[in-house]
Parts: sequence; C-alpha cells; structure tokens
Amino acid sequence: DTAVSQTPKYLVTQMGNDKSIKCEQNLGHDTMYWYKQDSKKFLKIMFSYNNKELIINETVPNRFSPKSPDKAHLNLHINSLELGDSAVYFCASSQLAGDEQYFGPGTRLTVT
Amino acid sequence: GNSVTQMEGPVTLSEEAFLTINCTYTATGYPSLFWYVQYPGEGLQLLLKATKADDKGSNKGFEATYRKETTSFHLEKGSVQVSDSAVYFCALRGRDTGNQFYFGTGTSLTVIP
Repeated sequence: DTAVSQTPKYLVTQMGNDKSIKCEQNLGHDTMYWYKQDSKKFLKIMFSYNNKELIINETVPNRFSPKSPDKAHLNLHINSLELGDSAVYFCASSQLAGDEQYFGPGTRLTVT
Repeated sequence: GNSVTQMEGPVTLSEEAFLTINCTYTATGYPSLFWYVQYPGEGLQLLLKATKADDKGSNKGFEATYRKETTSFHLEKGSVQVSDSAVYFCALRGRDTGNQFYFGTGTSLTVIP
C-alpha cells in the first residue's frame, strides 16, 4: 500500500480557475505538510498541520488554503490560479512535527 | 536563522566514480541533519540522517558525517551506479524553530555507464 498518496498526478488548468489537490497518508502520522517545488527543484514548505491545527504557515498567498477533514488527509485548495503557480506540489507526513518526513509522489500543476 | 547551502549541480559522473556532494548549514542551536533523494518522477525519500555532532549516517553505500566544527554534512559514496542518478537534497531540522525542516536547493546527479 502506498504510504502517502496524492491525486491527481498531473493537473493542467487555465488561469483564474479554482482547483484542489488531495493527499492521504495511511501511516497514522500526526503531522502533514505541503511543499512547492519550482522548475529549479527548489523545495519550499507551504503548510503543515498537526491534529487539525495549522502550525506552520509560510508566506504563501491566501489563494492557497489547506483543508484537513481528518488526521489522514490534508488537501490543498487553490483559488484564482496564476501562471506562477505552475510547479510540482508535494504532500508529506511525519509522526510528530520534526520527525522524518515521508513524501508523496507529487502533483505537477501546469497553469496556462 | 537556519539555512542549508548545497553545491550547485548538475553533477555528471562515470559509473564507479567517487561521489561527494557538499552541504553546509547555518543554524541556531543543534539541528538534526538529513539527506533526501528524489528519483525521476518520484517524491523525496529519506536517504540518511544524523542527529548530533560526529554522528555518521549511512545507507545504500552513501555516508555523511555531522561536522559541527565545519558546519558541514557532505554526502559521499565510493562507487556510484547508474541507478544513483537522482536529485539529492540536504536538509536540517531546527530544534528551536518548531522542528521546522529547511531544505537545500538540491543537486542533480547523473551517472553514465
């Protein structure tokens, strides 16, 4: 079974649209994360959630909103997509904040 | 503040060559240090880690030693294989910043037969 899964794997959409990326982990971890990886492979943390509480919120636009319906899921919702949002988005989880993180396979978002 | 600096790539090596990817860090307090690997089309995977000074992390023939005096955590492998082609990320976990992870910019390695 896949430990951390994301859907969709690829997402192509137009500017101005709203989209969501889903993430699920079956590891029983308490903390989940979202990262953005740009075309140069630079990895930047966007959010992390611990027991449904946001514990890190880097300076990302408020068009991005994480939603956690339960401990095993952390979805990323993006409003009014812009060209600069094109990137690969990775979900990750860890048992506790600061523990080893397990990454999902990534979602490649392309905004046209 | 906390940050990680990696040598810029891309790095291209012949099979069985010796690999070194440099990583230095800046941190307040005593961080834990990690190397993650990202194979093409996949997410990051933990390769090895070290949690205190002079610790050596090792896995799959890769090694890195936590050097507090030089604030470094260089990744080494004695004989690389084509299957080692990937992007390698150095990272630190800041103990005094809510255990937040800081990743380097990644170093792309290509091993040619």
